Amino acid sequence: DAKTTQPNSMESNEEEPVHLPCNHSTISGTDYIHWYRQLPSQGPEYVIHGLTSNVNNRMASLAIAEDRKSSTLILHRATLRDAAVYYCILRDPGSARQLTFGSGTQLTVLP
Amino acid sequence: SQTIHQWPATLVQPVGSPLSLECTVEGTSNPNLYWYRQAAGRGLQLLFYSVGIGQISSEVPQNLSASRPQDRQFILSSKKLLLSDSGFYLCAWSVPGGIGEKLFFGSGTQLSVL
Repeated sequence: DAKTTQPNSMESNEEEPVHLPCNHSTISGTDYIHWYRQLPSQGPEYVIHGLTSNVNNRMASLAIAEDRKSSTLILHRATLRDAAVYYCILRDPGSARQLTFGSGTQLTVLP
Repeated sequence: SQTIHQWPATLVQPVGSPLSLECTVEGTSNPNLYWYRQAAGRGLQLLFYSVGIGQISSEVPQNLSASRPQDRQFILSSKKLLLSDSGFYLCAWSVPGGIGEKLFFGSGTQLSVL
């Protein structure tokens, strides 16, 4: 399985942008990059995904490096409700098998 | 709209007792179904996944088993619980074949084995 590496924790001030990095140097050509986040005592929720191009949705933006070996999840204006563990995983659409989530990045948002 | 139900929310069981956790999905057909476990402060570990009735793939050898008796029902079981089975258990589903095959998670079961 292609692995991802994320910092254990990050802090941000409320209403400021947050850039959450993810390294995936062994990514294959068919792997999609997915981001999920998990609030305490809840199941993870989908945030965004992409393959090669940068992606935007109502929750966040995903910036993917040209060589696809890294990506960055961007929260444009962090709120206290964005405090969560953020997971970056690689997903091969040709396989039903989902990958194990790593430890993720614990994002703390300071008021 | 699709919903996923997982119960119970919390469970305290003695070592050596049996376990049955149930998960059902509504509003979709032929979903892929998954069981994950999360130890305290850790990431999510995939335990089992299923692409159809009676079809179960196991990711990690362990004290647990899974079954899919109906299209939208996924059950996690154990005959005799171990202390190491404690954790947060999450059921998830996805629509098979989609390029952006998102996982939709249930609310989880916090299992404490004492």
